[in-house]
Amino acid sequence: EIVLTQSPGTLSLSPGERVTLSCRASQSVSSSYLAWYQQKPGQAPRLLIYHASSRATGIPDRFSGSGSGTDFTLTISRLEPEDFAVYYCQQYGSSSLTFGGGTKVEIK
Amino acid sequence: QLQLQESGPGLVKPSETLSLTCTVSGGSISSNNNFWGWIRQPPGKGLEWIGSIYYSGSTYYNPSLKSRVTISEDTSKNQFSLKLTSVTAADTAVYYCARQRSNWNYPAWFDPWGQGTLVTVSS
Repeated sequence: EIVLTQSPGTLSLSPGERVTLSCRASQSVSSSYLAWYQQKPGQAPRLLIYHASSRATGIPDRFSGSGSGTDFTLTISRLEPEDFAVYYCQQYGSSSLTFGGGTKVEIK
Repeated sequence: QLQLQESGPGLVKPSETLSLTCTVSGGSISSNNNFWGWIRQPPGKGLEWIGSIYYSGSTYYNPSLKSRVTISEDTSKNQFSLKLTSVTAADTAVYYCARQRSNWNYPAWFDPWGQGTLVTVSS
């Protein structure tokens, strides 16, 4: 099983700031088969990124993903008030899917 | 627009079987290249994949839950279902269903998700 570790656990930031979230895999994720989700309180997760860097339909271009192998990054170029949420990564490079533990982005 | 809705009992007794159904509207569960998956989230915690079923009927399960999980589909009702046996308090969670894209005939990312349903295991 591929274990995904997200860091940091919590980020305290202000609107307008740039944020970089990390997702590290315990072994290489084949062909960058990694997705990112956003979850707000009381809501289901929403797909942001798949294939490590492809934005899902309707996702603003301030969200971008990058990385390969064992190290992946989600970047929000300029935080909007609606971006304060928990972010999860998920790998599908093996038939046993796994999620990271999440990073909470909170208002400073 | 594809929509998914979970349904089932909100309270299950320990040692019994948890049964949930996901009803899909706005698209067919028999359409090519789609998996249909279940994910759960214990209160205040992260996400855990439970398992997925392909449009052809083949299934993939989380190894840690495999001995207790069955996912099936009813194409006539455009639904797929989850059964989890011998539940304990550790199975208390919000359960989500979601469509998954197929990646070389393996389950991939989840989009969209249902709103989720809270299932509590308690006597």
